[in-house]
Amino acid sequence: DAGITQSPRHKVTETGTPVTLRCHQTENHRYMYWYRQDPGHGLRLIHYSYGVKDTDKGEVSDGYSVSRSKTEDFLLTLESATSSQTSVYFCAISDSGADTGELFFGEGSRLTVL
Amino acid sequence: QQQVKQSPQSLIVQKGGISIINCAYENTAFDYFPWYQQFPGKGPALLIAIRPDVSEKKEGRFTISFNKSAKQFSLHIMDSQPGDSATYFCAASHSGTYKYIFGTGTRLKVLA
Repeated sequence: DAGITQSPRHKVTETGTPVTLRCHQTENHRYMYWYRQDPGHGLRLIHYSYGVKDTDKGEVSDGYSVSRSKTEDFLLTLESATSSQTSVYFCAISDSGADTGELFFGEGSRLTVL
Repeated sequence: QQQVKQSPQSLIVQKGGISIINCAYENTAFDYFPWYQQFPGKGPALLIAIRPDVSEKKEGRFTISFNKSAKQFSLHIMDSQPGDSATYFCAASHSGTYKYIFGTGTRLKVLA
């Protein structure tokens, strides 16, 4: 299994609080992604990174920010959590672009916003 | 808009039967079409993938059929087994992009 660790795996928080999810990889892969998974919506890309300090928005980026200061770590921050951000969040990594690369997913972080 | 439409949302198949999941796309620039399998409590994992230069790819009991003119592709699981019970996602991407577009997923249940 690819070395991907997501933390925390489970979190319950209240509306309006900031939340940071961490993704740590030991594969030295260039590309890292944050997805959210919701029933009826599948996997939707929030943000992705194509190198240290190089990030870009995905299709559902509003309310989220990311940072990547080291190859191995990709942080997802919810500035002020809302109930609509209750979801399962997956980090994924790839050693090449989307036209050739396999995505390796972490085991997910379940976030509940009350 | 770059979308991948997946159907059905859920599927129940008897053991030994054939499971078929369909996906359709709009963007003709897509040139890589993977399928991911996800078991409960786990992240998705690559199952099989195809490029549009071939019409079919087979790996064991899993086959992708690709129809470029119709902009459709499908996953066939032959001799379906209870261990195949999972959620399946189709996806698409194109050269030069870092992004995959996923379908909405199909929850497959294979009855013993």
